Amino acid sequence: AQTVTQSQPEMSVQEAETVTLSCTYDTSESDYYLFWYKQPPSRQMILVIRQEAYKQQNATENRFSVNFQKAAKSFSLKISDSQLGDAAMYFCAYCSNTGKLIFGQGTTLQVKP
Amino acid sequence: DAGVIQSPRHEVTEMGQEVTLRCKPISGHNSLFWYRQTMMRGLELLIYFNNNVPIDDSGMPEDRFSAKMPNASFSTLKIQPSEPRDSAVYFCASSFQETNTEAFFGQGTRLTVV
Repeated sequence: AQTVTQSQPEMSVQEAETVTLSCTYDTSESDYYLFWYKQPPSRQMILVIRQEAYKQQNATENRFSVNFQKAAKSFSLKISDSQLGDAAMYFCAYCSNTGKLIFGQGTTLQVKP
Repeated sequence: DAGVIQSPRHEVTEMGQEVTLRCKPISGHNSLFWYRQTMMRGLELLIYFNNNVPIDDSGMPEDRFSAKMPNASFSTLKIQPSEPRDSAVYFCASSFQETNTEAFFGQGTRLTVV
C-alpha cells in the first residue's frame, strides 16, 4: 500500500524568506501523480502545485516550486519570498494510477512578519 | 460550476443517533472521495468511488460507517450509531480520473457527537 509521510508537524519562516517543506512517499508504482495542497484556517483545500512522476522537470508555480526526486521518493515544496498569506497547513498528496488519492499528515506553516 | 457541494456544513448530534452527510460532486467528474480530518490522524481517506462504484473502502473505520453513490451527482456517508470519537471534519472531493487532474474539495462538514 502507498503511504505519504510529512515529518515536519510545524515550520516557521520569516516574511520574504524561503522555506522548504518535506514529503516522502512509498510506492511500488512507476506511474503516479504528486500534489501539494494548502489548507488555510477557512479549511478550504486549495491546490498549490502538481507533478507527474514521468516528468523529470520539477514543477513551478510562481513562488512555489518542488524538488522531485523519484528514486528517493521525495517531493519537497519550496516557497520563495514567503508572504503572510502563505500561513496555512500544507498537505502532500499521492495519486496512484488507479486514482486513489492519499495525503500526508500535514505541516503547519507559520509566517512571521 | 458551483464546485463540490457538501451538506450540512455543521452537524451536532447526540451519541447513538444516525448521521448522514451529503455530497454533490462537480458535474463531469467520475471519481469521488470521502475523507475524515482530525488533529490526531490528519486527513484520512475513508472510501473512494469511480464511476459510482466503490473501489477502495479499506479506510472505513468500522461497520458503523457506510457510503453510497446512487448516481454520478450524489453521494452519502452515513454513521449509525454515531459516537463521540466520530467528531471530525468530513470532506468530499471529486476529480476526473482519466486525466489525474487535481481533486476539488467541498467545504467540509464539521460533525460533533456529544
